[in-house]
Amino acid sequence: ETGVTQSPTHLIKTRGQQVTLRCSSQSGHNTVSWYQQALGQGPQFIFQYYREEENGRGNFPPRFSGLQFPNYSSELNVNALELDDSALYLCASSPGGAASGANVLTFGAGSRLTVL
Amino acid sequence: AQKITQTQPGMFVQEKEAVTLDCTYDTSDPSYGLFWYKQPSSGEMIFLIYQGSYDQQNATEGRYSLNFQKARKSANLVISASQLGDSAMYFCAMREVATGGGNKLTFGTGTQLKVEL
Repeated sequence: ETGVTQSPTHLIKTRGQQVTLRCSSQSGHNTVSWYQQALGQGPQFIFQYYREEENGRGNFPPRFSGLQFPNYSSELNVNALELDDSALYLCASSPGGAASGANVLTFGAGSRLTVL
Repeated sequence: AQKITQTQPGMFVQEKEAVTLDCTYDTSDPSYGLFWYKQPSSGEMIFLIYQGSYDQQNATEGRYSLNFQKARKSANLVISASQLGDSAMYFCAMREVATGGGNKLTFGTGTQLKVEL
């Protein structure tokens, strides 16, 4: 089975621009979440998608938005980029939708965004 | 207050020795799950082990075991027989079921482990 794949792996943007990051979930997984990992920090939860709807969000402004498609793949969009948005963006997928304690998240290798 | 605290920014261990990575957590949710992930320099987070708050026994997965002390709110990871390939960043994370759970994990700041010959 294929794991979680993310694209692009690296990208550079300038302040004020917009960016779209893409994620293909692991086969059989219908829930996708996105995390931001700043340098030297642990990942921080941005939001999660289940059945093409956002159903959980962390402490991130509305300029962070997302989509989930019928094949469970997902996009993360960030508008009006700021310097502090420079980070590794990780996508994770899991089976099932509702909270299940033991649901293990499978992560991709991330997209490293640099904002100049 | 920090929900997940990892107090060891860096650790060194000799190959074939055991090492313990510390993690304490803070939650008022009676139902929660604790996870350990490994992050090599490639960036991908690799799942190692899971412990549920109601699990009576400490979790074990091969060379990994979790020393779960519920009253002390600690969930330390023990790696036995360390290998050079174990060199990576290790993150402790928690899922709180009552507050939405789902895929929301709260991570600590990580411990960088270096295995030496």
